[in-house]
Amino acid sequence: QLQVRESGPGLVKPSQTLSLTCAVSGGSIRGGAYYWSWIRQHPVRGLEWIGYIFYNGRTDYNPSLKSRVFMSLDESENNLSLKMTSVTAADTGVYYCARSFDSSGYMAFGYWGLGTQVVVSS
Amino acid sequence: QSVLTQPPSVSAAPGQKVIISCSGSNSNIGSDFVSWYQQFPGAAPRLLIFDNSDRPSGIPDRFSGSKSGTSATLVITGLQTGDEADYYCATGDTRLNTAVFGGGTKLTVL
Repeated sequence: QLQVRESGPGLVKPSQTLSLTCAVSGGSIRGGAYYWSWIRQHPVRGLEWIGYIFYNGRTDYNPSLKSRVFMSLDESENNLSLKMTSVTAADTGVYYCARSFDSSGYMAFGYWGLGTQVVVSS
Repeated sequence: QSVLTQPPSVSAAPGQKVIISCSGSNSNIGSDFVSWYQQFPGAAPRLLIFDNSDRPSGIPDRFSGSKSGTSATLVITGLQTGDEADYYCATGDTRLNTAVFGGGTKLTVL
C-alpha cells in the first residue's frame, strides 16, 4: 500500500525559503509513470495546486507560483521535495503531497499524505 | 473566488440523495476531466471520482459523478451520517495552465 508523508519546519520567517519533503513508502517514486503533486490548503482560499514532478523529473508549476517554486526527486531516499522561496504570510497553510491515481494524467490525485502545517510568521 | 463554483453547503436526511454541483467554463470543465474529493475535518482529501464518472476501488457505488458541458455533478445516494464532510471538484484549466479546485461544499446529513 503506497503511503506518503510530508515533513517540514512548521514555522518559516517571511522572505525565507520553505523546504518540504515527501517520504514515499510502499512503492518507488520512479516505479511507474506517475505524477507527484504538491497541493496546499488555506482556511480561506481553499485548495491550490502548486505543481507536479513526473517520475522522470519533468516538472510543471502553477504559473502564479512558478517563479518561487522548485521540485525535485531523490531516488536514493525515495522522496521528493518542494522548495518555495520568498515566502509571505499568504503561503501559510497545510501542504500536501499527492500521487496521481494512474499514469494517464496528473489531475486525479489518488494518494495523499496527511499534510504538514506551515506557518509563515516572524 | 474559486474558478470552479460549488454551493457552500447542502443538506439532506439519512437515506436520501444529495446532488453537489460544480460550475466552470469552456477552459476548464468544458476541456478536461473532472475529479471529486471528500475531506473530513483534520484529514487529507480522498479521491472519490476521477475522469468525470469513474470510481477508484473501495469507493461505494453510492457515489457517482457526471459531466455535461461546463458543469459537473456529484450525486450521493443512501446518505449516511458518515458522509458528512467537505466535497471538492477539480479539473485542469487550459487558460490558466493549472489545476483548479472548487471552493468546496459542506454536506450535512440531518
